[in-house]
Amino acid sequence: DVKVTQSSRYLVKRTGEKVFLECVQDMDHENMFWYRQDPGLGLRLIYFSYDVKMKEKGDIPEGYSVSREKKERFSLILESASTNQTSMYLCASSSRAGWVFDNSPLHFGNGTRLTVT
Amino acid sequence: AQSVTQPDIHITVSEGASLELRCNYSYGATPYLFWYVQSPGQGLQLLLKYFSGDTLVQGIKGFEAEFKRSQSSFNLRKPSVHWSDAAEYFCAVGSNYKLTFGKGTLLTVNP
Repeated sequence: DVKVTQSSRYLVKRTGEKVFLECVQDMDHENMFWYRQDPGLGLRLIYFSYDVKMKEKGDIPEGYSVSREKKERFSLILESASTNQTSMYLCASSSRAGWVFDNSPLHFGNGTRLTVT
Repeated sequence: AQSVTQPDIHITVSEGASLELRCNYSYGATPYLFWYVQSPGQGLQLLLKYFSGDTLVQGIKGFEAEFKRSQSSFNLRKPSVHWSDAAEYFCAVGSNYKLTFGKGTLLTVNP
């Protein structure tokens, strides 16, 4: 079974702090994604990466950056955390074959609930 | 741009009753469509997917969904709901590397 592990389940940070959210997958997947989930807004894509050192902006990249130095690890960085970044953050991965050949297009971690005070 | 609409924010059904969750999508070509479920405190789990072919697809946990191109819909159904089905359900449309999710429908199941 694919395992996507997010390093923290709950995180509390102060406004202005630099925050790192870490995600590791164990299935040698090429694609990795960061979503944020907010009540009434569903999941919104922040950034994704289709290869090491490659990144693409999603729908809401402002205030975030990412790092993919190794294939299995994808980090989300909040350069200067703000209260409007309080949210649930979900990491996901998928194989390059993606939709057709994989059993699931996205494999999700259990999420990191970030509170910025 | 692709988009997904789930018109119902919250649905309440009684255990044993039938269920239908609505999903409408906007997409320029033949869509890849998905339904995910999220139980409290958990990540998302894939229920079923549609790529092509038979428009009625079967998924896990007794769920099925029907793709209707003419209505741009992909509604999720279950004939008899169990209390363990209480969760939030997300419809999604995919292309290339990207899935676009709807805002979700929260399902409450009354005993």
